Amino acid sequence: EVQLVQSGAEVKKPGESLKISCKGSGYSFTSYWIGWVRQMPGKGLEWMGIIYPGDSDTRYSPSFQGQVTISADKSISTAYLQWSSLKASDTAMYYCARRDTIEFDYWGQGTLVTVSS
Amino acid sequence: EIVLTQSPGTLSLSPGERATLSCRASQSVSSSYLAWYQQKPGQAPRLLIYGASSRATGIPDRFSGSGSGTDFTLTISRLEPEDFAVYYCQQYGSSPRGLFTFGPGTKVDIK
Repeated sequence: EVQLVQSGAEVKKPGESLKISCKGSGYSFTSYWIGWVRQMPGKGLEWMGIIYPGDSDTRYSPSFQGQVTISADKSISTAYLQWSSLKASDTAMYYCARRDTIEFDYWGQGTLVTVSS
Repeated sequence: EIVLTQSPGTLSLSPGERATLSCRASQSVSSSYLAWYQQKPGQAPRLLIYGASSRATGIPDRFSGSGSGTDFTLTISRLEPEDFAVYYCQQYGSSPRGLFTFGPGTKVDIK
């Protein structure tokens, strides 16, 4: 069974750094792209970026380029999304999802990030 | 960058009725590169349709997708109580380099 399990909710202060994770199982982790999607409170879905764990090829939405870093450790089948300096506007639910052809066929349960002073 | 527009923003219908949701792209999209998702409150999105018209695994046949070019449609033939949710379309643009875009969503709520 394909599963993406994300790390737990985080509460951070503005200016702090953060790295959240997404662990894949039940499939060949290095053979599928993993994408990250933001959902701000009460809002829609925004694609942030995507990584191919097989060779770490990474692409970013222009809206998120330079704002976050996506990485992966294929030895432990885990993808990451990180911030070096959080802002209050980063408060959102973040989902990882596996890309099949162009669609995202399996999703993690989401990680809620709250940034507040 | 391709922009997706969904209409209506909210669709108020009763169980058993037919729902027709529209997704319009600012430029032509390959049918192979259009997908639909359902999201219920407190849950992750779920893939419904890929390649504009193919149902994902386990999706009931009351869900169907159609369209080409810039106009795509998700139809729910007879709404079940569990179908009241938000629906998003999504496209993949091969140029510029591999960008994904979601539409703003259509909320289907109970009339």
